[in-house]
Amino acid sequence: EIVLSQSPGTLSLSPGERATLSCRASQSVDFDYLAWYQQKSGQTPRLLIYAASRRATGIPDKFSGSGSGTDFTLTITRLEPEDFAVYFCQQYSEYPFTFGPGSKVDFK
Amino acid sequence: EAHLLESGGGLLQPGGSLRLSCAASGFTFSSSAMSWVRRAPGKGLDWVSTITGPGDFTYYADSVKDRFTISRDNSRSTLSLQINTLKTEDTAIYYCAKHLCNGGGCDAFEMWGQGTAVTVSS
Repeated sequence: EIVLSQSPGTLSLSPGERATLSCRASQSVDFDYLAWYQQKSGQTPRLLIYAASRRATGIPDKFSGSGSGTDFTLTITRLEPEDFAVYFCQQYSEYPFTFGPGSKVDFK
Repeated sequence: EAHLLESGGGLLQPGGSLRLSCAASGFTFSSSAMSWVRRAPGKGLDWVSTITGPGDFTYYADSVKDRFTISRDNSRSTLSLQINTLKTEDTAIYYCAKHLCNGGGCDAFEMWGQGTAVTVSS
């Protein structure tokens, strides 16, 4: 099973700042089949990025993904109030699909 | 507009059973693999099970294997999850999720339902 870890656990920032979130895999994620999701409190998860760097339909370009192998990054430029949420990474290169524990972006 | 709507959750006792359903609309249901994902209180997202578009292959997390059964009816655009021998650790919001497509490289979850809450308690 591929275990994903995320850092930081919580990132405290102000609107307008840049958020950089990390996802590290216990072994290489084949084909970079790594996705990022946003989940706000009481809401359903939303796909932001798939295949490590491809933005999902309707996702603004302030969200970008990068990385390969075992190290991946989600960057959010120019944070807006609606971006304060929990972000999860997920690998879908092999079963069982696994999620990271999440990184919370909250207000400083 | 594409939409997923789960139903069937509730408050149940340990050892009980229930069947969750997910009604899909607005897309070609048979063209997408589908999954169930859950989120327990205070925890992160937890993949539960996946079924391919035609329904010919199914996959389960070890924690639910032999107790959960995923199925689909493509003629009715419906996904189901039969849960037997409920445990307190099954308490969670259960989401159905549509994959990007059916096949290799398609297994990111591009659309999620609102979820249905399952509480297992004596």
